[in-house]
Amino acid sequence: KAGVTQTPRYLIKTRGQQVTLSCSPISGHRSVSWYQQTPGQGLQFLFEYFSETQRNKGNFPGRFSGRQFSNSRSEMNVSTLELGDSALYLCASTPTVHSGRETQYFGPGTRLLVL
Amino acid sequence: AQSVTQPDIHITVSEGASLELRCNYSYGATPYLFWYVQSPGQGLQLLLKYFSGDTLVQGIKGFEAEFKRSQSSFNLRKPSVHWSDAAEYFCAVGTGNQFYFGTGTSLTVIP
Repeated sequence: KAGVTQTPRYLIKTRGQQVTLSCSPISGHRSVSWYQQTPGQGLQFLFEYFSETQRNKGNFPGRFSGRQFSNSRSEMNVSTLELGDSALYLCASTPTVHSGRETQYFGPGTRLLVL
Repeated sequence: AQSVTQPDIHITVSEGASLELRCNYSYGATPYLFWYVQSPGQGLQLLLKYFSGDTLVQGIKGFEAEFKRSQSSFNLRKPSVHWSDAAEYFCAVGTGNQFYFGTGTSLTVIP
């Protein structure tokens, strides 16, 4: 099976712009979670989608949003970009909705640089 | 509140030496514990996980971890490190709502 894919791999934006990142989960996986990874902060949970519904949400401002399509592909959007949004954005897929026990399968990430 | 602490930001070991990466967690219920590894330019890969039962768990690539409830720890060990083990290692705890990750430990292996 193909792994989790994320596009694009790299992005450069300027403050105030918005950005959309895409994640295609492993075939058959229905849950997608998004994380922000920054040096010194580790991975911070953004949100989880399962069956096109947001199931859980982390402690991020409303500028961060996401959605999931019927084929389980997910997108996340960041509006009004700030310098602090520069990070590696990772998505992870699992076969079922989050329970805390499942193994997450991570994509390679999208590296976003905000200038 | 749930949290995961990895006290060592960076560790350097010689190839062939033993390795221990520390992880402490804070969680009120029985934790589901994980170790992941991230190589440069790649996503995270699961090394091992602990749910219950035997407190010493074996993982891939020769890694093992020991759960110590009394110390709220889940330290990762490897008896003999290989150069290919150089990477960043993350400890995580799974709760009903989300996974909490530590800030990671970067491992350098000296030939």
